Amino acid sequence: DQQVKQNSPSLSVQEGRISILNCDYTNSMFDYFLWYKKYPAEGPTFLISISSIKDKNEDGRFTVFLNKSAKHLSLHIVPSQPGDSAVYFCSGAGSYQLTFGKGTKLSVIP
Amino acid sequence: EPEVTQTPSHQVTQMGQEVILRCVPISNHLYFYWYRQILGQKVEFLVSFYNNEISEKSEIFDDQFSVERPDGSNFTLKIRSTKLEDSAMYFCASSESGQPNSPLHFGNGTRLTVT
Repeated sequence: DQQVKQNSPSLSVQEGRISILNCDYTNSMFDYFLWYKKYPAEGPTFLISISSIKDKNEDGRFTVFLNKSAKHLSLHIVPSQPGDSAVYFCSGAGSYQLTFGKGTKLSVIP
Repeated sequence: EPEVTQTPSHQVTQMGQEVILRCVPISNHLYFYWYRQILGQKVEFLVSFYNNEISEKSEIFDDQFSVERPDGSNFTLKIRSTKLEDSAMYFCASSESGQPNSPLHFGNGTRLTVT
C-alpha cells in the first residue's frame, strides 16, 4: 500500500542548478504534505510543508508545488548546493501520523 | 536548538529477548511518536502518544510492542520478544501539537539488530 510514492530513488545535479524532486500520492485525505531531509546516521529533519488547499509554498531556496488534481507535488531547490546532498522524503499528514515515501537520494556535484 | 535524543545508538539482541529503546523528547513538546525504517525500505509509522495514552497505532504495533512515559522526560519503546524482522532503525519523534502541519522533530535513531 503505497499512499506516497517517490519514483526516483536518486538524482544528481550540478551545483548551482535546480533540483526537482517529485512525489505522487493516492490518499485524498492528507491535509498537509511535508518534506524532510535526511543525512546518513541522522534522523529526518523537517524542511518545508504545504497545506492541501495551497498550490505553492516558498522558503528561501526551497519551493514546494502541489497539483491536487494530479495528486502530485514537487520540491524545487535552487540554486542547489553540495550541502543539499541528502535523502529527501515526501510525506502526507493526516490525523496523528505521517505517511512517508521511500525517499530520493539527491547528490549535488560541485 | 533543542533536540530529541535517543539511546542507545545501536542495540544488538538475540531473538526472543526483550529490548527497551529510550528517547528524550524536546521538553515542551506534548506529542510523541515512534517510527521505524527497515534497511532499504521507507520510514513507517508505529505509534503516537499524547497525554499518557496511545492516540494512534499502526498494524505493525502489535501486542509485542508497548510504549511508556515513565517520568517527565523519557519516552520508551519496548519490544517484548524480538524477532529477526524487528531489525530496523527506530526513530523517536516529538511535536508541539498533534496538528498535521506541526513538524516532527526526530532523534538520530537506534539501530536494532536482532540475531
